[in-house]
Amino acid sequence: DTGVSQDPRHKITKRGQNVTFRCDPISEHNRLYWYRQTLGQGPEFLTYFQNEAQLEKSRLLSDRFSAERPKGSFSTLEIQRTEQGDSAMYLCASSPPWANDGELFFGEGSRLTVL
Amino acid sequence: EDQVTQSPEALRLQEGESSSLNCSYTVSGLRGLFWYRQDPGKGPEFLFTLYSAGEEKEKERLKATLTKKESFLHITAPKPEDSATYLCAVPRTDKLIFGTGTRLQVFP
Repeated sequence: DTGVSQDPRHKITKRGQNVTFRCDPISEHNRLYWYRQTLGQGPEFLTYFQNEAQLEKSRLLSDRFSAERPKGSFSTLEIQRTEQGDSAMYLCASSPPWANDGELFFGEGSRLTVL
Repeated sequence: EDQVTQSPEALRLQEGESSSLNCSYTVSGLRGLFWYRQDPGKGPEFLFTLYSAGEEKEKERLKATLTKKESFLHITAPKPEDSATYLCAVPRTDKLIFGTGTRLQVFP
């Protein structure tokens, strides 16, 4: 039974570089979420897909951030021209149509360090 | 604006020493309150959903309760493996708004 898979688990990059994270949700989960979490804080919502449609996007997501979910399967989150403030854990979560309210299945996250 | 506040920020307990974690919220029209557990370096894991005041849910040594203004996560006779950060969250449209969590450490 595979859970939500995220890749890479850790990424160290220099300021100004672009990075891309990938999320593979659980099979048959039509909803996919990206959250960002910094040390000592709870996860903050970034964006939400239902199938391939991006239905909601946080104002935290500046124009340097873009997310896609082609064909409603895996998703990518790209950060362009990274800044030190982008250092965080990027969490992906998915849920199926029949899920109980609020029940998201999270991956183990992709930790980004911007030097 | 919807807000979720958790207290205490950190809690240290001796094994077997019961206690409670608090989650207070200010939302218009509560559509549920959710508890998650997060181990270091991992993503959060869903524990409970509560919908209405007076509702209770239990799982092993954990019991979650809900009033009109707050929720409690009661931990009875905790064990070291209960050590984790416990997060509560409320829904806003299609997303969850999380609190900052309570970091629980249980010592043998």
